[in-house]
Amino acid sequence: EVQLVESGGGLVKPGGSLRLSCAASGFTFSDAWINWVRQAPGKGLEWVGRIKPKAAGGTLEYAAPVQDRFTISRDDSENTLYLQMNSLKIEDTALYYCAWFGVGGWGQGTLVTVSS
Amino acid sequence: DIQMTQSPSSLSASVGDRVTITCRASQSIANYLNWYQQKPGKAPKVLIYSASSLQSGVPSRFSGSGSGTYFTLTISSLQPEDFATYYCHQTYYIPITFGQGTRLEIK
Repeated sequence: EVQLVESGGGLVKPGGSLRLSCAASGFTFSDAWINWVRQAPGKGLEWVGRIKPKAAGGTLEYAAPVQDRFTISRDDSENTLYLQMNSLKIEDTALYYCAWFGVGGWGQGTLVTVSS
Repeated sequence: DIQMTQSPSSLSASVGDRVTITCRASQSIANYLNWYQQKPGKAPKVLIYSASSLQSGVPSRFSGSGSGTYFTLTISSLQPEDFATYYCHQTYYIPITFGQGTRLEIK
């Protein structure tokens, strides 16, 4: 069974940093195209970015609102995905999910609150 | 960016009704279209992938069709557990984009 478990969320001041983790199990993580998706309170789903498997070049792709502030990485030896978030803004407040689209699955999300 | 437009934005229906939700893409996305169901406080759950393939474990009353720019999600006979918000999303172009959601409520 595919399992994705996010952690690392919390309260941070504007301009601060936070690193989220996503622990994966139940599938061959190293072959998977893994995404981060966020959902602001009461709002819809917004794609944040993704990382391809190393076999596909390990390419990183980001949504415009987070480009140059957020960095996705993966540790295939630990089956873990990361999201390093810098220069956080109030509008980054959301529930952050890691997701393997299509036949994959989503984690339960971790809440990031950016507030002074 | 590819715009994904769902209609309706909200819908009231009764148990046993047949319901169809549509999703239009602003450009052709072939069949790179997934449908999700989200209940309050829960993560999205995939129902349909690649426009028409039913995810394992999803009841057969759910079906998807379409290609190019026009897609539909149909629930053949609504059950009480189907009242939720539904999202389409495309993975053909970067940035990946989602529809705005369709809230399905009990009449």
